[in-house]
Amino acid sequence: GAVVSQHPSWVICKSGTSVKIECRSLDFQATTMFWYRQFPKQSLMLMATSNEGSKATYEQGVEKDKFLINHASLTLSTLTVTSAHPEDSSFYICSASLSGTGRETQYFGPGTRLLVL
Amino acid sequence: SQQGEEDPQALSIQEGENATMNCSYKTSINNLQWYRQNSGRGLVHLILIRSNEREKHSGRLRVTLDTSKKSSSLLITASRAADTASYFCATDAGDGNNRLAFGKGNQVVVIP
Repeated sequence: GAVVSQHPSWVICKSGTSVKIECRSLDFQATTMFWYRQFPKQSLMLMATSNEGSKATYEQGVEKDKFLINHASLTLSTLTVTSAHPEDSSFYICSASLSGTGRETQYFGPGTRLLVL
Repeated sequence: SQQGEEDPQALSIQEGENATMNCSYKTSINNLQWYRQNSGRGLVHLILIRSNEREKHSGRLRVTLDTSKKSSSLLITASRAADTASYFCATDAGDGNNRLAFGKGNQVVVIP
C-alpha cells in the first residue's frame, strides 16, 4: 500500500519551455503532497507543500511563479516548471502523506529527472 | 527550517558487518525519520522515532535518539549487498505541517 507514482520519469526539454510533472497517490488519498528537488550527490530540498484545494506553501527562496503547483484532487498534484533553464535541471521528487493517523510518514514517488538544454 | 545533518561519511563495509551512521540536528523536533534512497530513485521510509522515545527496532534496523544531544544513530546489522544505498535522516519540527528537513545523507556500500 501507499504507492506514489510520478510521470514522466525523465524529460529533456529546450530552454524556455515549460514542463509539467505529475504526482499521484495510487492507493490512498493524500491531503498533503510535498515537492522536493535534489541535485547530484546532495540532499533533498523541500520546495513546497501542496494541500488539496488550496494554494501551495513555498519554502523560502523558491519562486512560486516559476514552479507552479496545483493540487486539484486528493490523488493528484502537479508541478510545472515554467520557462525552464539549464539551472533548473535536477531530480524532482514528490511525496504524499496519509490523512489522519500516520500522516507523519511521507511516501515518495520514484522521481523525475529533468534536463534542460 | 531546521536541518538534520549526518556525519559526512561514506561507509564501505563487507557483507555481514554492521553499519552505523549518525545524524545531528539543531532545533527541537517532534520526530526523526530515516529514509533510504537507491541510486537515482525515490526514498523509502525506514523508521520513525518520536521525541519521547530513545530507541526503536525494526528488523535489522536499530535507531537511537538522544534529544539532549540532538542526535540520532541508525544501525544496520548483518548488512547485505542490497543495503547499498544512501541513507538520510529527516526531522519534523512538529509545527503541524509535517514538513521534513533532510540531512546530507550517508553513502553506504556493502561489498558482497
